[in-house]
Amino acid sequence: AQTVTQSQPEMSVQEAETVTLSCTYDTSESDYYLFWYKQPPSRQMILVIRQEAYKQQNATENRFSVNFQKAAKSFSLKISDSQLGDAAMYFCAYSSNQFYFGTGTSLTVIP
Amino acid sequence: DGGITQSPKYLFRKEGQNVTLSCEQNLNHDAMYWYRQDPGQGLRLIYYSQIVNDFQKGDIAEGYSVSREKKESFPLTVTSAQKNPTAFYLCASLRQAEGFNQPQHFGDGTRLSIL
Repeated sequence: AQTVTQSQPEMSVQEAETVTLSCTYDTSESDYYLFWYKQPPSRQMILVIRQEAYKQQNATENRFSVNFQKAAKSFSLKISDSQLGDAAMYFCAYSSNQFYFGTGTSLTVIP
Repeated sequence: DGGITQSPKYLFRKEGQNVTLSCEQNLNHDAMYWYRQDPGQGLRLIYYSQIVNDFQKGDIAEGYSVSREKKESFPLTVTSAQKNPTAFYLCASLRQAEGFNQPQHFGDGTRLSIL
């Protein structure tokens, strides 16, 4: 069965600094997709970034980028120049024939 | 604007009562999902539907029921058999039933509590 593990329940970062959130997954599939979602206090789930497993190039979206290591089954999210609005719960998700979510990392941004 | 509407935002259930959470989407998406979110447990799949008049159990379907009579609607009923219903419930949709390369779209959620 596919599993998604986020080993950091809580993280904090100083405003304007960089933080990396970890995610590992377990799968026997070769074709799959990975996502990072942000859930701010409003509880709405917002897509941050997406990565196709067949692509070697790491996805980037403005200040957000991923470090995708397929052999290690690792999919970390890097947030650069952290802003107060980045404070939220972040969920890593895997999809192949179904969606699986990690348990989330709560990110605090310190002014 | 297209999106997913969940209602109500807050819901209270009495002991032995069934309650229904509404989820409506105007995105013309084929697939719809219900998740339960508890602190420290992420999102767990309750039920999903890939096509009208068909739905499948997820990982934690016991004590819940759904229907999919219309493409745009996927209501979730929390029955009295669900002994621990207090949680945040999220509805999601996906454009194509097998389109797992696409992200799911989520509603704003319903917070269910026991009176």
